[in-house]
Amino acid sequence: SQTIHQWPATLVQPVGSPLSLECTVEGTSNPNLYWYRQAAGRGLQLLFYSIGIDQISSEVPQNLSASRPQDRQFILSSKKLLLSDSGFYLCAWRKRSGNTIYFGEGSWLTVV
Amino acid sequence: TQLLEQSPQFLSIQEGENLTVYCNSSSVFSSLQWYRQEPGEGPVLLVTVVTGGEVKKLKRLTFQFGDARKDSSLHITAAQTGDTGLYLCAEGQGGKLIFGQGTELSVKP
Repeated sequence: SQTIHQWPATLVQPVGSPLSLECTVEGTSNPNLYWYRQAAGRGLQLLFYSIGIDQISSEVPQNLSASRPQDRQFILSSKKLLLSDSGFYLCAWRKRSGNTIYFGEGSWLTVV
Repeated sequence: TQLLEQSPQFLSIQEGENLTVYCNSSSVFSSLQWYRQEPGEGPVLLVTVVTGGEVKKLKRLTFQFGDARKDSSLHITAAQTGDTGLYLCAEGQGGKLIFGQGTELSVKP
């Protein structure tokens, strides 16, 4: 069966510090991968999605970047965090031919 | 980009009551998904609707897809405290999945 993991689960970082959130998917190959951000328990904002290694689309201009160094690994990064980067970050995957998207456990980021 | 609007944004009801939440779009959906999310967790898929006029039932939850495929509703019968959560609709757009802002449901005992 397929599983998705992301870490760390909780992170408190000072303004101006770097960020790295990591996500891995197991049990499938060539998945579509996604990073979403959710503020204050509201809707999910799509940040990045990837259809293959080193193939990443950015949805909104922002202080963040994403990388996919391996087929089932997706990394969300920032060189210098802003207060507004605080939120709940969710990694997700979907089969190329499927409609269902599966989410990781989420990472709470608080920038102080 | 298609916009998904959900209403109401917040809903607080007593256990045993019925409720309906809505998801509307500015254009036609190819298909629509409903998710439920509990605090601190990722959303979990409830149902996918594809055909205009389609009705799907999941125990006390009834999902309806509008005939014109521009709107959908989720009806919960005899709500329970365990139904509390954020209900999100989502639509696939060219490999991406775009979500509405959600309806925050609170069911009080």
